[in-house]
Amino acid sequence: EPEVTQTPSHQVTQMGQEVILRCVPISNHLYFYWYRQILGQKVEFLVSFYNNEISEKSEIFDDQFSVERPDGSNFTLKIRSTKLEDSAMYFCASSPGRAWDTQYFGPGTRLTVL
Amino acid sequence: QQQVKQSPQSLIVQKGGIPIINCAYENTAFDYFPWYQQFPGKGPALLIAIRPDVSEKKEGRFTISFNKSAKQFSLHIMDSQPGDSATYFCAASKDSGYSTLTFGKGTMLLVSP
Repeated sequence: EPEVTQTPSHQVTQMGQEVILRCVPISNHLYFYWYRQILGQKVEFLVSFYNNEISEKSEIFDDQFSVERPDGSNFTLKIRSTKLEDSAMYFCASSPGRAWDTQYFGPGTRLTVL
Repeated sequence: QQQVKQSPQSLIVQKGGIPIINCAYENTAFDYFPWYQQFPGKGPALLIAIRPDVSEKKEGRFTISFNKSAKQFSLHIMDSQPGDSATYFCAASKDSGYSTLTFGKGTMLLVSP
């Protein structure tokens, strides 16, 4: 069964450093998403992406964040200058079509900012 | 108005019991209500979902009950098993075409043997 994959599984970085989290969505899916989950808290929406542009973003997704689909398979989340409060599990998800379609989540990347 | 309120925060039941997790929402534009199951170290996985044109949906041992007028929905797990021990998130979304999910805070369920 096709699945969303994410790399790395765990990323440790120093405060102020740039990180890039990578995702490979399911191949025929059209919509892509990033969520984050701070330890012990709810999953929070960051951004959705369709047709090579951001379609919606939350207030969490400020100028420090950017997303890109550099080729036909990868979907990346970049954090330009990490802060301690960026430490969280970051989930990528993809869905095949419109709002009625299921979102499939990857296993997540745990980001630890020291 | 975008919030989805979930309760309880944690729940312990014995094997064979029927845990019930409740969620409430305010935004009447929400029209898709999924439940996600998350095991430690894994991403959330869709368990079951309901749309407001029905009041109940059952898949195996999992049942969603939906009360549109009260803006509430709940997950029931029949004959619960230790393998059902996980965190359960309710969520809601609008038909904006972009499937943005608003999650509840989650319920940690422990099913004791």
